[in-house]
Amino acid sequence: GAGVSQSPRYKVAKRGQDVALRCDPISGHVSLFWYQQALGQGPEFLTYFQNEAQLDKSGLPSDRFFAERPEGSVSTLKIQRTQQEDSAVYLCASSLVPAIAIQYFGAGTRLSVL
Amino acid sequence: EDKVVQSPLSLVVHEGDTVTLNCSYEVTNFRSLLWYKQEKKAPTFLFMLTSSGIEKKSGRLSSILDKKELFSILNITATQTGDSAVYLCAVNAGGTSYGKLTFGQGTILTVHP
Repeated sequence: GAGVSQSPRYKVAKRGQDVALRCDPISGHVSLFWYQQALGQGPEFLTYFQNEAQLDKSGLPSDRFFAERPEGSVSTLKIQRTQQEDSAVYLCASSLVPAIAIQYFGAGTRLSVL
Repeated sequence: EDKVVQSPLSLVVHEGDTVTLNCSYEVTNFRSLLWYKQEKKAPTFLFMLTSSGIEKKSGRLSSILDKKELFSILNITATQTGDSAVYLCAVNAGGTSYGKLTFGQGTILTVHP
């Protein structure tokens, strides 16, 4: 596609509910990143995929967070048993190749946990 | 731990003013520094800087990197209300083979008519 597409744009969840956030990267981009952005803060790294391989998940805050990219294209970030502190904007970014390439961001999914 | 600090955190100016946004960093294995503009949507790429002293320019925006003093500035001349946004600075660094970004907190720029 022309840009990185994320869905849904907004998600309201009750505490304890599971959610799934989708990212469709720019076609042909090898690298895919997930970031979490709390209100008034810069984005923070969650996890990285190179094609279908998850090479780094060091930023995932707990084992309730799980991400996958099974065919090396679309990625899903899943949060189980959501808690209020999970409320944030979840941004996805893709880049053509690893290392130095520019990352292009989607508009994000704003998650509110009540 | 890699660290990126932006200043000021917020700035209010009038149309036509010139602004300078600052970004300092402490990281290991620096590769590049990137500037993004974030409105109520996707952060949009502005500049990527890898070499010291070479100014990058796009219209009224320009940016430069100082790798000795570990900082970058983003200049916006003749500001317009459409420049109102959060400006994010990010550094690509670390021992990995891919470009994990460490972001600053952002500078909120408000341009009044």
